[in-house]
Amino acid sequence: TQLLEQSPQFLSIQEGENLTVYCNSSSVFSSLQWYRQEPGEGPVLLVTVVTGGEVKKLKRLTFQFGDARKDSSLHITAAQPGDTGLYLCAGGRGAQKLVFGQGTRLTINP
Amino acid sequence: NAGVTQTPKFQVLKTGQSMTLQCAQDMNHEYMSWYRQDPGMGLRLIHYSVGAGITDQGEVPNGYNVSRSTTEDFPLRLLSAAPSQTSVYFCASSYSGASYEQYFGPGTRLTVT
Repeated sequence: TQLLEQSPQFLSIQEGENLTVYCNSSSVFSSLQWYRQEPGEGPVLLVTVVTGGEVKKLKRLTFQFGDARKDSSLHITAAQPGDTGLYLCAGGRGAQKLVFGQGTRLTINP
Repeated sequence: NAGVTQTPKFQVLKTGQSMTLQCAQDMNHEYMSWYRQDPGMGLRLIHYSVGAGITDQGEVPNGYNVSRSTTEDFPLRLLSAAPSQTSVYFCASSYSGASYEQYFGPGTRLTVT
């Protein structure tokens, strides 16, 4: 059973469209991180959210942490081909363990 | 800074063979960890270390051993490889604990036949 469920698992859209990726759990997390991974490379951190209800923006990317700290979303506005990649959410379980969702593979078509 | 380095990049083993995956970081990070990544399953924590001489198990520790004799190095040992251990392995480090930014290495793709 996956502790963190990401949806959708695959998403293919046209350049310029908007999209939202969800990361849901029945457990409370002390923090939640979003990573992006390119083929053949390790994940790279995009953002960390720690407060329930927190919203962070990174250019065209908006990240939100749920009020109850059990879920998060990533919204991309006007997607570009450079946004293509595997997006992973990860929840902090205490101070020492990080639990990852299964990932959302995003493809932006020109 | 080189960041997190992993060797080898690719490895093929036969069932029952042993090997060590190397991981090193030059950022003086206290926390280091090993993950495996399988299709559709994200990354799963194998073992982690909060400092030299201290290691603990993650979600999927069976079949793997680790040690942390220095701050910089955190090798992962497969004692008797099994086909179920075919995966991509990532080493990561962070300043202090899981809630901090994890810096990942480039990964080792392991195939066990």
